[in-house]
Amino acid sequence: TQLLEQSPQFLSIQEGENLTVYCNSSSVFSSLQWYRQEPGEGPVLLVTVVTGGEVKKLKRLTFQFGDARKDSSLHITAAQPGDTGLYLCAGRGSTSYGKLTFGQGTILTVHP
Amino acid sequence: ETGVTQSPTHLIKTRGQQVTLRCSSQSGHNTVSWYQQALGQGPQFIFQYYREEENGRGNFPPRFSGLQFPNYSSELNVNALELDDSALYLCASSFAGSSYEQYFGPGTRLTVT
Repeated sequence: TQLLEQSPQFLSIQEGENLTVYCNSSSVFSSLQWYRQEPGEGPVLLVTVVTGGEVKKLKRLTFQFGDARKDSSLHITAAQPGDTGLYLCAGRGSTSYGKLTFGQGTILTVHP
Repeated sequence: ETGVTQSPTHLIKTRGQQVTLRCSSQSGHNTVSWYQQALGQGPQFIFQYYREEENGRGNFPPRFSGLQFPNYSSELNVNALELDDSALYLCASSFAGSSYEQYFGPGTRLTVT
């Protein structure tokens, strides 16, 4: 069974601070996706990383996939209140279908 | 381009009843996956449908079943509802053969009393 451990579970910071969310597993994933979810809504896809060591940037968000494709991180620079939400990492294994294994999520609160 | 839609938005059922949730996939997508998200947790994979057949299943009992129709829309059926079935049910569509990027609908909030 593939598991994804996400940390920290909760993060409360002030506007302008930087933060990093980690997603770790003992399993290898063929790709890893990061989602952001607002209360009462479905997760919204932020990025997909596929290659070990890959780094992708989306404005103030930087995503990294570990060299061994077992871990990933999300770094936010100069956080803003609009970044508040639940951040989820999800990995796809090597099976022939696209089952996603999700981490338990990180609830981020950015205070003005 | 139309995104993933789900109906109904909210639903309240009594223990032992049966429920059907519906999902319309994003245009151009041929695969639908269903997830259950309990409060405060990440989504858990229920099953996936491709070409109208179940293409993979998570650790859920047989009372969770589904259908996919020729237009790629899908239904999730749950029989003999239990209190623990209360959750947000998410549908995600994707295009098989790509990187399997999945796009989620807004979900159906099911409450079992």
